Amino acid sequence: QKEVEQNSGPLSVPEGAIASLNCTYSDRGSQSFFWYRQYSGKSPELIMSIYSNGDKEDGRFTAQLNKASQYVSLLIRDSQPSDSATYLCAKQGIQGAQKLVFGQGTRLTINP
Amino acid sequence: DTEVTQTPKHLVMGMTNKKSLKCEQHMGHRAMYWYKQKAKKPPELMFVYSYEKLSINESVPSRFSPECPNSSLLNLHLHALQPEDSALYLCASSALAVSTDTQYFGPGTRLTVL
Repeated sequence: QKEVEQNSGPLSVPEGAIASLNCTYSDRGSQSFFWYRQYSGKSPELIMSIYSNGDKEDGRFTAQLNKASQYVSLLIRDSQPSDSATYLCAKQGIQGAQKLVFGQGTRLTINP
Repeated sequence: DTEVTQTPKHLVMGMTNKKSLKCEQHMGHRAMYWYKQKAKKPPELMFVYSYEKLSINESVPSRFSPECPNSSLLNLHLHALQPEDSALYLCASSALAVSTDTQYFGPGTRLTVL
């Protein structure tokens, strides 16, 4: 079982709708989780970090963490074409806080 | 300011060349990282420097040689690379916070090995 699993997509969402991106992880001891957005040919950009169970909101973005279910999600409200990108879920690795473990990424397309 | 800079943006090199990638951060971060990313794949960790000392080497071939001259600078020296080493090379930095450490990425260097 991979440490971090994401549906690779592509996920297609109409403009203005809510995009829901999901991620599961295998190590119950993981503490810190991150969502990065990566446009084609560019580097990953931090969107959200979450460390506690529950929801964390920042503008149109909401991250949700459920440690009992080992599940992290990212909701994007009022989706815009500029949100079209690959979204990478990551967690601090088992072997130490310095090692980020990434999922394979979900490619999101927002259709005008 | 969460800026990490990398030079050059693009690099084309032959298999016999020696080149270096450079990374710089001025956020006072004490950890710096090199990642390699192939197309449609997530970043793969190569090296980690903590307090200017190499703390993680992910069994990277010796043709890649990292160097951390000071807490703000990170280099990756390249020698006798193979075409399969062509990729986006990403530098990142973090503050080394105990339990909530966050890594910030630079724009990357697109490397092509001919």
